[in-house]
Amino acid sequence: EVQLVDSGGDLVQPGRSLRLSCTGSGFSFGDYGMSWFRQAPGKGLEWVGHIRSKIYGGTREYAASLKGRFTISRDDSKSIAYLQMNSLKTEDTAMYYCSRGYGGDSWLFDYWGQGTLVTVSS
Amino acid sequence: DIQMTQSPSSLSASVGDRVTITCRASQGIRDNLGWFQQKPGKAPKRLIYAVFSLQSGVPSRFSGSGSGTEFTLTVSNLQPEDFATYYCLQYDRYPLTFGGGTKVELK
Repeated sequence: EVQLVDSGGDLVQPGRSLRLSCTGSGFSFGDYGMSWFRQAPGKGLEWVGHIRSKIYGGTREYAASLKGRFTISRDDSKSIAYLQMNSLKTEDTAMYYCSRGYGGDSWLFDYWGQGTLVTVSS
Repeated sequence: DIQMTQSPSSLSASVGDRVTITCRASQGIRDNLGWFQQKPGKAPKRLIYAVFSLQSGVPSRFSGSGSGTEFTLTVSNLQPEDFATYYCLQYDRYPLTFGGGTKVELK
């Protein structure tokens, strides 16, 4: 059974850093690109970024507003994708979700993590 | 960036109704569009991908259509479990962008 588990969310002060994890199981993790999304309280969904699978170079794409502060990485040996968030702002407060992105020859988003809550507040 | 304009932002409907939600893209996105359902406190769930392909396990009362820049999600015979918020997502170009969402409420 395919599963994604998001973890690492916490209450942090503005300006601090946090790393989120997305652990996959039940599928060949390294064959898939992984995406991160977020949803601020009471708001809509927002795409954060994507990391391609190694076969596609393992390169990354980000929402322009987050580029430079957020970094996505992956450890295929552990089936984990990471979202490193630096210089956090109050407006980064949101539920963060990972999803299986690109696999084979098509975009998926067929499986999602349960979400992990990041609260940025002093 | 490709803007996805979703309408309506909310609607009230009764069990058994037919509901239609529209997303307009600011430029052509080929068939790179999906529809997602989200219930409070839960992760989004994929309903439709590639405009009209139904996700396995999703009831056939959900259907997608459209092309180019205008796309539609239709829910026929609305059921109690269908009251939720729906989002379209374009994945044709980065940055990936969502519509603003449509909240389907019980009339």
